[in-house]
Amino acid sequence: ETGVTQTPRHLVMGMTNKKSLKCEQHLGHNAMYWYKQSAKKPLELMFVYNFKEQTENNSVPSRFSPECPNSSHLFLHLHTLQPEDSALYLCASSQDQGGGSGANVLTFGAGSRLTVL
Amino acid sequence: GEDVEQSLFLSVREGDSSVINCTYTDSSSTYLYWYKQEPGAGLQLLTYIFSNMDMKQDQRLTVLLNKKDKHLSLRIADTQTGDSAIYFCAERGGGFKTIFGAGTRLFVKA
Repeated sequence: ETGVTQTPRHLVMGMTNKKSLKCEQHLGHNAMYWYKQSAKKPLELMFVYNFKEQTENNSVPSRFSPECPNSSHLFLHLHTLQPEDSALYLCASSQDQGGGSGANVLTFGAGSRLTVL
Repeated sequence: GEDVEQSLFLSVREGDSSVINCTYTDSSSTYLYWYKQEPGAGLQLLTYIFSNMDMKQDQRLTVLLNKKDKHLSLRIADTQTGDSAIYFCAERGGGFKTIFGAGTRLFVKA
């Protein structure tokens, strides 16, 4: 148990469905992240929230919509996905985005394995 | 842009040393990291090194940083079957983003 909990752990959806991934952290951190992990590809940073404000959107398609209602919760809303969106989606948190100093160590959840049919 | 590259697979025998290599492109990197991912789990920090250091040792782990060549390595001494996992190299660049490689899958043969 890392202190970052992701649900659901597995999700299968059709291309016309709407679903959401949820991430919750109990570490008192102020920054939260979504990463996409695909086989044999670098981990891909999708979104960053720092003190509930979105600070990074790494050219992610609009069919992925993040929401951060408070510093402890992060959602990824999914709609009209494509089969190539099938991947492991990892949530992470850190003390803050660390614009100045400090190692900014990330704590990850176990991931949500998404399959788009 | 920022890029982190590492080989995808490494196989070693139990008891041998493992060396996982990584190269990165951002010369303004401040911290470099090694994370480990075990099956069914997320990434977990193993160790990190500040860019003004060239070596860091922590029990069986030795990290070497060659800033001139933008090369980072992780040596695991006396590798055990429990060390089998995916090892990710990452760097924190000037954009305050943590950029990861694709991960090196380490196989340890008994």
